[in-house]
Formats: sequence, structure tokens, C-alpha cells
Amino acid sequence: EAQVTQNPRYLITVTGKKLTVTCSQNMNHEYMSWYRQDPGLGLRQIYYSMNVEVTDKGDVPEGYKVSRKEKRNFPLILESPSPNQTSLYFCASRKQTDTQYFGPGTRLTVL
Amino acid sequence: AQKVTQAQTEISVVEKEDVTLDCVYETRDTTYYLFWYKQPPSGELVFLIRRNSFDEQNEISGRYSWNFQKSTSSFNFTITASQVVDSAVYFCALGRGDGANNLFFGTGTRLTVIP
Repeated sequence: EAQVTQNPRYLITVTGKKLTVTCSQNMNHEYMSWYRQDPGLGLRQIYYSMNVEVTDKGDVPEGYKVSRKEKRNFPLILESPSPNQTSLYFCASRKQTDTQYFGPGTRLTVL
Repeated sequence: AQKVTQAQTEISVVEKEDVTLDCVYETRDTTYYLFWYKQPPSGELVFLIRRNSFDEQNEISGRYSWNFQKSTSSFNFTITASQVVDSAVYFCALGRGDGANNLFFGTGTRLTVIP
């Protein structure tokens, strides 16, 4: 089954404790992205990647890191999480200008 | 600049009523893509439709229909004979036609269908 998977689905952590949210797709898509969803703001792009070892900042990259060592994986790293990073996070992937498909979401709470 | 406006924050309808969700977009691109996604209470984002800027033909899929009008920069979504399962947040999004990876989302419309 073609899909984008994210782990964990739910995470509660404390300020400053490094964490990684994994994202994996099995569709051989070149493009992958991370978005965060906040009430009243819709979804905003954090980082994106156009292929292996090619990443770039989206609209709200501060406080986040990503890597793309393999085509299928695109982890999101929070080196020192803060409460303002409490949000619902989505990973997405697509081929070129095709439709973007989203993972199930990761609900992160930073205390 | 790219922008999507969904002016309706919340809508409530009684089951079997028709409902239209509005979406207005701004872009200077001549080639672009428009999308609708559904986010049910479970939280995932479900793709509904994708249109490119060169295809203004309206589309119908079962109880769903979409009205794309470039003259008013609108891409409205109508649900006919609404059902409780249609209760969700609906997002309209704009994608650039040059392959740039960003989707610009509206702030969403929360639809509640009352049985």
C-alpha cells in the first residue's frame, strides 16, 4: 500500500530535550516536506527536500532541522524543543508537480 | 505572493442540506494548482481534488462538486445532501506551477453536519 508513515503519532516532552520525528514514504517520491498545523493558521511549511541531500527552508524553519540521506526518509529534528513548537506536524511527499500526499500526523506537546 | 483565503471559519448545516465552502486565492503565476483536502476528527489529511490553472471545467464526484472560476480567483467546493460523515475541517490549498514544493493553505473551514 502506497503511504507516508510518521512516528511517533503522539509525543509529550519537556523543553530542551532533543527529539526526532521520523517520516518514511514507499512511493519513490523525490519531493518531501514537513508542515506544522496550528489553530487559525492552517498548515505552514517548515522544510522541504527535492531529493537526496537536497533540502531547503520553508516558511517557518526556526528551531528545526532535517536531513535526507535516503530517498524514502525525511526525519524532522528538534534540537532544543520549546513550548511554541507544540503543534500537529505533517510529513508529505510527491512526485514533481503531482499531488502531495500526507502522513497521518504527529501531535507534539512541549511542556 | 501566494495566498489562500477561506473566509468561513465554521459552518453548521442540518443533514441533507447542501453546503458550499468558499476559497479565494491570490497568485501572480500563470500556471498553478488548486487543491482541497479534508481533515476528519481523526486528524489525517485526505486529498479530495487537484485542478490546474488551465482547466476551468467544473468537476463532480458523487455528492462533491467544485466550481473553479479564474475571473474571480475562486475555487469553491459544494457538498450536496450533506451527511454526518462530512463533518470535518476542509482546507483549500494553492501550489505553484514551477514545481516549487510549497503548498499554501487556507486557514480551513470547519463543517459540522447536524443529524
